[in-house]
Amino acid sequence: SQKIEQNSEALNIQEGKTATLTCNYTNYSPAYLQWYRQDPGRGPVFLLLIRENEKEKRKERLKVTFDTTLKQSLFHITASQPADSATYLCAQGSNSGNTPLVFGKGTRLSVIA
Amino acid sequence: DAGVIQSPRHEVTEMGQEVTLRCKPISGHDYLFWYRQTMMRGLELLIYFNNNVPIDDSGMPEDRFSAKMPNASFSTLKIQPSEPRDSAVYFCASSSSGTNYGYTFGSGTRLTVV
Repeated sequence: SQKIEQNSEALNIQEGKTATLTCNYTNYSPAYLQWYRQDPGRGPVFLLLIRENEKEKRKERLKVTFDTTLKQSLFHITASQPADSATYLCAQGSNSGNTPLVFGKGTRLSVIA
Repeated sequence: DAGVIQSPRHEVTEMGQEVTLRCKPISGHDYLFWYRQTMMRGLELLIYFNNNVPIDDSGMPEDRFSAKMPNASFSTLKIQPSEPRDSAVYFCASSSSGTNYGYTFGSGTRLTVV
């Protein structure tokens, strides 16, 4: 079955530094990966999608990479701010009949001022 | 658009009672998903619909769980009878096929069964 893992439950970094979150997948080669942000008491909010034939995708201070050899996606937040503190979820998807996303458990990021 | 709307936001019920969770997806979205989130297991898919038709309900834990989508603007998830282990946050999400914009989630219903 599809399995997607986010190695760190929690990550603490200093304001202004770059936060790097990791997502690994096994037993499956997703057609794309998505990253979401979830704040306490709220539903996940979509941030970025990266397809298997894309190496990198950027959006403002966010950057996502997709390495099909390592079966890994990295999510970077540059110049991090306390407002970036949240849980970040990665999810894998398939082009086959719009199979629903399978989510990782998330990494809780705390940016310390 | 007001986004995906779920009700109620919180539900506390006694074991054995029937619980009904409601969802209004974004207008024009043709996919609707019900997920359950717990600390131990993260986000788990329960069931999803395409154009109001249930496609895969293999994630529904037991026969106590049922879901319907009578029209494009409304879906329900029912638990009867409820048990303490059903306590979790239940999310509804909708999406449009062929877009790059991911899923839009509601704010969730926090269910506590005592």
